[in-house]
Amino acid sequence: AQRVTQPEKLLSVFKGAPVELKCNYSYSGSPELFWYVQYSRQRLQLLLRHISRESIKGFTADLNKGETSFHLKKPFAQEEDSAMYYCALSGKSGAGSYQLTFGKGTKLSVIP
Amino acid sequence: DAGVTQSPTHLIKTRGQQVTLRCSPKSGHDTVSWYQQALGQGPQFIFQYYEEEERQRGNFPDRFSGHQFPNYSSELNVNALLLGDSALYLCASSRPVDLAVAKNIQYFGAGTRLSVL
Repeated sequence: AQRVTQPEKLLSVFKGAPVELKCNYSYSGSPELFWYVQYSRQRLQLLLRHISRESIKGFTADLNKGETSFHLKKPFAQEEDSAMYYCALSGKSGAGSYQLTFGKGTKLSVIP
Repeated sequence: DAGVTQSPTHLIKTRGQQVTLRCSPKSGHDTVSWYQQALGQGPQFIFQYYEEEERQRGNFPDRFSGHQFPNYSSELNVNALLLGDSALYLCASSRPVDLAVAKNIQYFGAGTRLSVL
């Protein structure tokens, strides 16, 4: 079974402070990990995925297979980063599909 | 490209009724997945359609069924509605899985908010 845990429901940081949104996963295999973001009144959208090893909007995330974690980090928070963040895992099923398993999400609030 | 479109945006039903939600995938996408997002929760996978067939199913009862049409659009049907079915229903589309680079980037619609009274 695959599971994603985001331990923080709400994270409040001051503008300019570092941000770390935690994500731990459980999966017996080689998963693909994603961070999705939902800004106020907007649809869920992909922020980044581990396979790309890229930085989007200043955010990075490193897959740590030993700790089964995929934490999202940004060195200096901006007010426009305030949003709901979901960590998601995709593992190939026997039928060849790639369903996403989401965590419960963390609401990031950046205080001016 | 309008992206993934879902209709209707809001729906109110009563217990025991049946509902049909619709989804048009992003241009060039042939795989459609449906998710249920209850209040305060992350999206939960219902099922996925590819080549007009249900390819994978999450932990949802048979009251939840779907269909995919030749133009790749999809419907989600829920029978015998329960109060607990009240949620935001999200549709996501993706490109063919044999494109290794983009094999599982799913693009989401804005969702249909279903309220069961």
